[in-house]
Amino acid sequence: EIVLTQSPGTLSLSPGERATLSCRASQSVSSTSLAWYQQKPGLAPRLLIYGASTRATGIADRFSGSGSGTDFTLTISRLEAEDFAVYYCQQYGRPPTFGGGTKVEIK
Amino acid sequence: EVQLVQSGAEVKKSGESLKISCKGSGYSFTSFWIGWVRQMPGKGPEWMGIIYPFDSDTRYSPSFQGQVTISADKSINTAYLQWSSLKASDTAMYYCARKPPGIAAASYAFDVWGQGTMLTVSS
Repeated sequence: EIVLTQSPGTLSLSPGERATLSCRASQSVSSTSLAWYQQKPGLAPRLLIYGASTRATGIADRFSGSGSGTDFTLTISRLEAEDFAVYYCQQYGRPPTFGGGTKVEIK
Repeated sequence: EVQLVQSGAEVKKSGESLKISCKGSGYSFTSFWIGWVRQMPGKGPEWMGIIYPFDSDTRYSPSFQGQVTISADKSINTAYLQWSSLKASDTAMYYCARKPPGIAAASYAFDVWGQGTMLTVSS
């Protein structure tokens, strides 16, 4: 099973700042099968990025994904109030797994 | 509007059985996989398994194989997750989510999620 390790656990930033979230895999992951989700308290996760770098329908262009192999990154270029949430990466290997999450909180 | 609507919260005792549901609407239910995801309190999501309602092809994560059963009734656009004997450790939020078929990048992610079903199991 591929283990996804997300860092940092918590990111304390101010609105307007840039957020860089890391997702590291225990073995190589196909870029095609790497996704990122956002989850706010009490709500289901929401798909942000699939295929490592493709924004899902309706996702703002301040969200971008990059990476390959074992290292992937989600970048939020300028944080807005609604972006403070927990972010998870997911890979679709055998079996699919999720990372432990990065919480982006208001500084 | 594409939606997945899940059944309501459940409070059960250890040893009891349970079946929760996820009803799809606004799209062709048999053309997409439906997956189930567990999220324990304060933890990250865990991928449990997935079913293709068209032919009931079902796959399980090894961690959940034999612990739960995933099924679907395509005549009523509904997928199910069931337990035969609940344990206190099954206490969690359970989400269903839709996954496109195929091998394109979009087919490796859950693009629509249900609102979740909270399960509380007391010992």
